[in-house]
Amino acid sequence: DVVMTQSPLSLPVTLGQPASISCRSSQSLVYSDGNIYLNWFQQRPGQSPRRLIYMVSNRDSGVPDRFSGSGSGTDFTLSISRVEAEDVGVYYCMQATHWPPWTFGQGTKVEIK
Amino acid sequence: QVQVVESGGGVVQPGESLRVSCAAPGHIFSDNGMHWVRQAPGKGLEWVSFISYHSTNMYYADSVKGRFTISRDNSKNTVSLQMDSLRTEDTGVYYCVGPSWWSFEFWGQGTLVTVSS
Repeated sequence: DVVMTQSPLSLPVTLGQPASISCRSSQSLVYSDGNIYLNWFQQRPGQSPRRLIYMVSNRDSGVPDRFSGSGSGTDFTLSISRVEAEDVGVYYCMQATHWPPWTFGQGTKVEIK
Repeated sequence: QVQVVESGGGVVQPGESLRVSCAAPGHIFSDNGMHWVRQAPGKGLEWVSFISYHSTNMYYADSVKGRFTISRDNSKNTVSLQMDSLRTEDTGVYYCVGPSWWSFEFWGQGTLVTVSS
């Protein structure tokens, strides 16, 4: 099974400052079609998860452009250029390249200092 | 507004059974596989099961294999998860997610399953 390791697990941030979350996979996430199926999700308190980024770097409709995804192979990053209060929550990476099983990172809790 | 709607959660005792279901709009459900993902209280996300559109392929997490059965009714745009021999560690919110094997774009509001004596 592919293990997804996120860091940090807790991220206190100052409003208006940048933030980044790392996600590493235990093996390359390049699929046989050449794509990388790595998604990022945001889960605000009391809500269902919401997909923010798909296939490493594609932002979903309605997602603010302060969110961006990058990476290749086994190392991936979710970046927030300027953190806003509504960004508080838990962020998960997930791989859909090697399955079953589909696997998630442990989650990174973003909070305001 | 796209809506995936789960139902069927509740409180059961260890060893009992429960069936949760999900209804999704046709443009999500049609020609697409669907997943179940769960979240224990205060914990992270765990993939549980997947079913392809024609029910040809079904996959399960090791933690539920042999106890859970996924199925779908394409005429009604519904997918279900039959959960037998439930354990306390199966407690959590169960989310229906689609479309397709990789997307995980649409999530329902979840349905809470509590296994407790």
